[in-house]
Amino acid sequence: SQQGEEDPQALSIQEGENATMNCSYKTSINNLQWYRQNSGRGLVHLILIRSNEREKHSGRLRVTLDTSKKSSSLLITASRAADTASYFCATDDNDMRFGAGTRLTVKP
Amino acid sequence: KAGVTQTPRYLIKTRGQQVTLSCSPISGHRSVSWYQQTPGQGLQFLFEYFSETQRNKGNFPGRFSGRQFSNSRSEMNVSTLELGDSALYLCASSVGQGVYNEQFFGPGTRLTVL
Repeated sequence: SQQGEEDPQALSIQEGENATMNCSYKTSINNLQWYRQNSGRGLVHLILIRSNEREKHSGRLRVTLDTSKKSSSLLITASRAADTASYFCATDDNDMRFGAGTRLTVKP
Repeated sequence: KAGVTQTPRYLIKTRGQQVTLSCSPISGHRSVSWYQQTPGQGLQFLFEYFSETQRNKGNFPGRFSGRQFSNSRSEMNVSTLELGDSALYLCASSVGQGVYNEQFFGPGTRLTVL
């Protein structure tokens, strides 16, 4: 069964716009990770946020975590065509449980 | 540093056969996790090995098994293949236990069961 559930399932934006994806989970976690998967580079780790952190940045990525709502969001600013990929959240919950992913398409 | 490598990259088998997939982690990584990815079920955790010991196991039947060697290389085996086993099998390595650390994924082995 999946722990993280991403929302929306698909998102299409223009280059330069921001993209926000959300992840909800069901049980208590120690950390939450975001990954990206595209056909060229496979599955790549983006960011790990621990349960005692509320926000984390990495380049154009901003991740927030709200443990009271059991949710996380991934914001990609100034999107590029190369950001086109599927984005997954994964929680520890004793093993790594991935959500179904958000398919992001960035149009040039 | 070389990345995670998986062999073979593509495999075609028939129902009832068995298959062994191999994963070589990044040098210095002691944890190897295996995942199955299908369009219908998404990414599902199979098992994780750390220092040759299975640490966690997902909800898969006993036909799926694995092992890890002293050099951290890992193999997974699927016996009595079924059509539903057709999937992309990904392995990932990390310095420590996968759930607490960044995981580095290999390119995957695409298994087709006919």
